[in-house]
Order: sequence, then structure tokens, then C-alpha cells
Amino acid sequence: DAGVIQSPRHEVTEMGQEVTLRCKPISGHNSLFWYRQTMMRGLELLIYFNNNVPIDDSGMPEDRFSAKMPNASFSTLKIQPSEPRDSAVYFCASSPNVLNTEAFFGQGTRLTVV
Amino acid sequence: AQSVTQLDSQVPVFEEAPVELRCNYSSSVSVYLFWYVQYPNQGLQLLLKYLSGSTLVKGINGFEAEFNKSQTSFHLRKPSVHISDTAEYFCAVSEGGSYIPTFGRGTSLIVHP
Repeated sequence: DAGVIQSPRHEVTEMGQEVTLRCKPISGHNSLFWYRQTMMRGLELLIYFNNNVPIDDSGMPEDRFSAKMPNASFSTLKIQPSEPRDSAVYFCASSPNVLNTEAFFGQGTRLTVV
Repeated sequence: AQSVTQLDSQVPVFEEAPVELRCNYSSSVSVYLFWYVQYPNQGLQLLLKYLSGSTLVKGINGFEAEFNKSQTSFHLRKPSVHISDTAEYFCAVSEGGSYIPTFGRGTSLIVHP
């Protein structure tokens, strides 16, 4: 299995632009997580899905952030409009189900908003 | 609510020396505990986990950790480190059997030749 696949690996965009980050979880995994990693705040859970349904989005910083999972093999995290403080590494992770005891992480997308 | 404290932000050590990375957690219920490793420009990879049973847990790459319920700790140890162990290490806790982990801020292990 190729593991969790995220694209793009790097994204540089101007403030105010829309940014879409993509994630393909491991086939057969039912749970998907989006995390944000920054020096200031460490690793934060933004949202998680179970069976394509958003279960908890309390970590989403504000309405500019939205996430979707239209099917079991694809998820997006969108920021519109983007701001410099959104600059971070965004990780997607998946696990076989929400009670599973290990998450498998993608390599992350490094987002820079200038 | 659960929380995790990694007491050291950075741990420098010489190659072949032993190392301990400290982790304390707070929770009012039973917990699962994890250590993950992050190499530069990579995602997190599971090193080891404690679910139940023996309090001494062995993981990959020669690492082990001990669950101490009375001290609410889950320290990570390795008897002899290698240059390739240089990485960021994250402790994580999840409560009540639900795998939604809370991560610590991470400890940067720097192994010098």
C-alpha cells in the first residue's frame, strides 16, 4: 500500500487566495483526520471523519476553513480566503476505524501564505 | 479533558549514550498512550503504544516505554542511541478507548557523533 497520500507537498500562495489541500487515505480505512502543525501551537487536530461523515470539527480555527470527504478515498481541506497566519504544515492521517489504536500519517503539505 | 506534557523541548546526546524522553499526561479516565517519531520533512510514524497489560512496552528501533499510572507518566527510553535517531518525538494520549489522540508539543532528540 502506498500509504496516505497528500498533495501538494508544498504550496505558496498570496494572502486572500483560496487554497485546497488534498488527501487520499489508505484503502479500507474508515477514519480520517486533518492536523495542523506549527512551531507555536504544535500538532492540532482540526477535524476528523468516520465513514465519510464529519464527527468533530471543533478544532477548525474559523469559518475560513472547511473540509469535505465526498467518498472513502478522498478528502479536501480548503482555506478561503487564506491569511499569513495559516502558514503551517497540514497533515492528513487515516486509521482503520475510530477505535483503532494507530493513525497512519501522510507526509504533509507545507503551506506558506505571503 | 486529556492533556500531555513533554518536559523537554530538546535533548542533546552523544551517539551510543542512553536517552530518556519524558512524558506526563493528565486524564480522569483510562487512557491509551503512544509515542510517535517524525523525521525531517516526513509525517509521524508510530514507535510504540500502551493499551493495557504489561506496563513495559517495546517498540521499533530499540525504543521502549514504561507506563506509570501513579505518576501519570509514559517516558521513552533507548539504551544506546544512533545518529539516525535524530528526530522529533511526540507523546500522545487518548481517553476511554476512543482513538482521538491529543499530542504533546514534541521533543527534539539531537544525537551528536
